[in-house]
Amino acid sequence: GAVVSQHPSRVICKSGTSVKIECRSLDFQATTMFWYRQFPKKSLMLMATSNEGSKATYEQGVEKDKFLINHASLTLSTLTVTSAHPEDSSFYICSAIKPIMWTGTSMNTEAFFGQGTRLTVV
Amino acid sequence: KNEVEQSPQNLTAQEGEFITINCSYSVGISALHWLQQHPGGGIVSWFLLSSGKKKHGRLIATINIQEKHSSLHITASHPRDSAVYICAVFNFGNEKLTFGTGTRLTIIP
Repeated sequence: GAVVSQHPSRVICKSGTSVKIECRSLDFQATTMFWYRQFPKKSLMLMATSNEGSKATYEQGVEKDKFLINHASLTLSTLTVTSAHPEDSSFYICSAIKPIMWTGTSMNTEAFFGQGTRLTVV
Repeated sequence: KNEVEQSPQNLTAQEGEFITINCSYSVGISALHWLQQHPGGGIVSWFLLSSGKKKHGRLIATINIQEKHSSLHITASHPRDSAVYICAVFNFGNEKLTFGTGTRLTIIP
């Protein structure tokens, strides 16, 4: 299957610093990537939709100036947590969407997930 | 009520048992994923279904579009199958996934 690589897998940073997380689709082009946040024992919470070549679309309640998303190419999206605070500590995971086939006039898609990044802000 | 419901929420079974996890959804979908999330956090997609049945090793997934229901079965379960299993659906015309609440499976040796 297709591979999505997310880096780093773990990061510890000091309050007030910024952290960049990368999400790469290694063997397919992804015009759309999604960024999720997950709290312990909770479901994935969609933060934003990252579209190549355009601004990200943020979900309600997610601060766009806090969580900067850049989808600079068809294989790379980055999430930067700016001025990190301890409450930003969480598990962040990306997914990339791969179109798999055309069915009539519609296109089916498949989601592939990165390995996730565990962010700890101290 | 969530658009995607899973049952059970927690399941503990003995090694070797046959496992069934159910997923019901209330919206029109183009496809459904069965995902596995291990304690480390990474997510693996085992199946993408739009109809019928698929098999991967000891994992079997079925979907009934008319009844808006899918099941994931694990045969001859093993402790390494212990994980959270999540069903996620693509709504028609939308690349966003809607996730079920997840089923935490624990297989006891």
